[in-house]
Amino acid sequence: DAGITQSPRHKVTETGTPVTLRCHQTENHRYMYWYRQDPGHGLRLIHYSYGVKDTDKGEVSDGYSVSRSKTEDFLLTLESATSSQTSVYFCAISQGERETDTQYFGPGTRLTVL
Amino acid sequence: GQNIDQPTEMTATEGAIVQINCTYQTSGFNGLFWYQQHAGEAPTFLSYNVLDGLEEKGRFSSFLSRSKGYSYLLLKELQMKDSASYLCAVLDSNYQLIWGAGTKLIIKP
Repeated sequence: DAGITQSPRHKVTETGTPVTLRCHQTENHRYMYWYRQDPGHGLRLIHYSYGVKDTDKGEVSDGYSVSRSKTEDFLLTLESATSSQTSVYFCAISQGERETDTQYFGPGTRLTVL
Repeated sequence: GQNIDQPTEMTATEGAIVQINCTYQTSGFNGLFWYQQHAGEAPTFLSYNVLDGLEEKGRFSSFLSRSKGYSYLLLKELQMKDSASYLCAVLDSNYQLIWGAGTKLIIKP
């Protein structure tokens, strides 16, 4: 157990509304990631962070922003939710200090945008 | 572009052996990971290969050939609880994980 929680676990929202998902870790890991998982696709990286206030874009960052003001929290915001952002969102951490270290995942958030 | 290919679905019998293949074309290579994901749950780490050869871990083994862009996950003595999706992922030259779509493994009694 890598001590990762995500909230909320399920959310239904309407098109055009802002949504924030939270990832919380208890073990001071440096690297944190946000992925989305959709049927027929592999996990796709949205954004990642390599320290407080240090973030970078992933493969599918359009329409998403992130913030990391504390080591333990990594927030993902959908600025104006669209139906194409209906997905399962996973947060992950790397336990080591290197980018090559194994990633461990939180339980996921299922988001539905109507 | 970057590409990871795995079979979409496989079926095997309880107690048997199954091999799940993964081929990849990525910009750079810094290791290959296998994860298991039960329906409705998060992926969990199974194995990591960065050098050619076979890594054995209990009933599960993972093989890598970097020259062929190929890996497989071997599951022995299959149990019903092994019914899950198996995800192959490659760490590319930017140290980002590129994921395959996963192989759904169905175990029949």
